[in-house]
Amino acid sequence: GESVGLHLPTLSVQEGDNSIINCAYSNSASDYFIWYKQESGKGPQFIIDIRSNMDKRQGQRVTVLLNKTVKHLSLQIAATQPGDSAVYFCAEPASNDYKLSFGAGTTVTVRA
Amino acid sequence: NAGVMQNPRHLVRRRGQEARLRCSPMKGHSHVYWYRQLPEEGLKFMVYLQKENIIDESGMPKERFSAEFPKEGPSILRIQQVVRGDSAAYFCASSPPSGSGNEQFFGPGTRLTVL
Repeated sequence: GESVGLHLPTLSVQEGDNSIINCAYSNSASDYFIWYKQESGKGPQFIIDIRSNMDKRQGQRVTVLLNKTVKHLSLQIAATQPGDSAVYFCAEPASNDYKLSFGAGTTVTVRA
Repeated sequence: NAGVMQNPRHLVRRRGQEARLRCSPMKGHSHVYWYRQLPEEGLKFMVYLQKENIIDESGMPKERFSAEFPKEGPSILRIQQVVRGDSAAYFCASSPPSGSGNEQFFGPGTRLTVL
């Protein structure tokens, strides 16, 4: 079965509000996670990553939080914009380091 | 610097025909990965290739599917005798020869429709 999974398939958020997308993983030995954004008709685009020696990592308007105790990570998007409308995937490489395993994705829709 | 390029972007085939999907990696990248995405699902790994070598094809069906990455030219994912269940988006990613395979850059995908 899948090693990563998302909690909610869809998220509707008001423009300007913050978005939180959640992801759970099952392998306690997992040490690296990646968030991808996939816009309609396009390939996944790297957003941010985090290693297990960190609890938090910030990028431009995005923050990833990792809770190793409950094997959960989240992606927070500040001041959500219409251009943030997309499907968001959490992914982790398998033990061989290259075989990315993707969750099913959360579709974020931004309301004007 | 052009990103990963895939063609065609859309491909329609009738059952029993062959589908050929092409992928040109980013300049300087020698590692190529193919993934399949069914509607409403995440991407599933199919195969990992380096120039003239298949490194890992564990995610690729044993029958009808094949992949190559020749010394010259793009990587090709070939599906023979397509069936309706092959309808999906096929994404190619590439990574540089050095560094982790985690650094995969994805192309725009080829959307295959089997009638």
